[in-house]
Amino acid sequence: EPEVTQTPSHQVTQMGQEVILRCVPISNHLYFYWYRQILGQKVEFLVSFYNNEISEKSEIFDDQFSVERPDGSNFTLKIRSTKLEDSAMYFCASTRENTGELFFGEGSRLTVL
Amino acid sequence: KNEVEQSPQNLTAQEGEFITINCSYSVGISALHWLQQHPGGGIVSLFMLSSGKKKHGRLIATINIQEKHSSLHITASHPRDSAVYICAPQGGSNYKLTFGKGTLLTVNP
Repeated sequence: EPEVTQTPSHQVTQMGQEVILRCVPISNHLYFYWYRQILGQKVEFLVSFYNNEISEKSEIFDDQFSVERPDGSNFTLKIRSTKLEDSAMYFCASTRENTGELFFGEGSRLTVL
Repeated sequence: KNEVEQSPQNLTAQEGEFITINCSYSVGISALHWLQQHPGGGIVSLFMLSSGKKKHGRLIATINIQEKHSSLHITASHPRDSAVYICAPQGGSNYKLTFGKGTLLTVNP
């Protein structure tokens, strides 16, 4: 069964460091998303990506964040200078159609010290 | 104001009981998702529905678009059903999900 894969599963970093979280969406999917979940809180939307560009981003997705799909398979989330409050589980998701079933990765847990 | 309200927040049941989790939302939607999340774990899509009712095994999801309400039912609950169940309406120009806070279900043997 096709799946969305995310790496790393857990990353610990120092405040101010750059972090890149990687996702490999399902191969024929067209819409890609990053969500995050701070421990004990609900999942929040960060950004959606379609046709090689950001289609929508939330207030959380400030200038410290960026996404790209460099090679047609990977979908990455970069945090340029991490803050303590960036500590969270980050989920990648993809779907073939914009109203189709959504597939989530297992998540990447980011801990900023 | 919360756009998605789930109830109850916590639910403890005995194995075999019938479970109902409710979701009310205020946003306009194209579809609504029910998701399952195990502690420390990933998110699994259970249902996506835009009208009526869907059934997968012991799970049933219903939605009333006019009343902006959806329910998730679990028949003959089992300890392995213990998880957080999340209601997430999908809408907006980019079909993103708006997540509820989730319902923590614990099914005791």
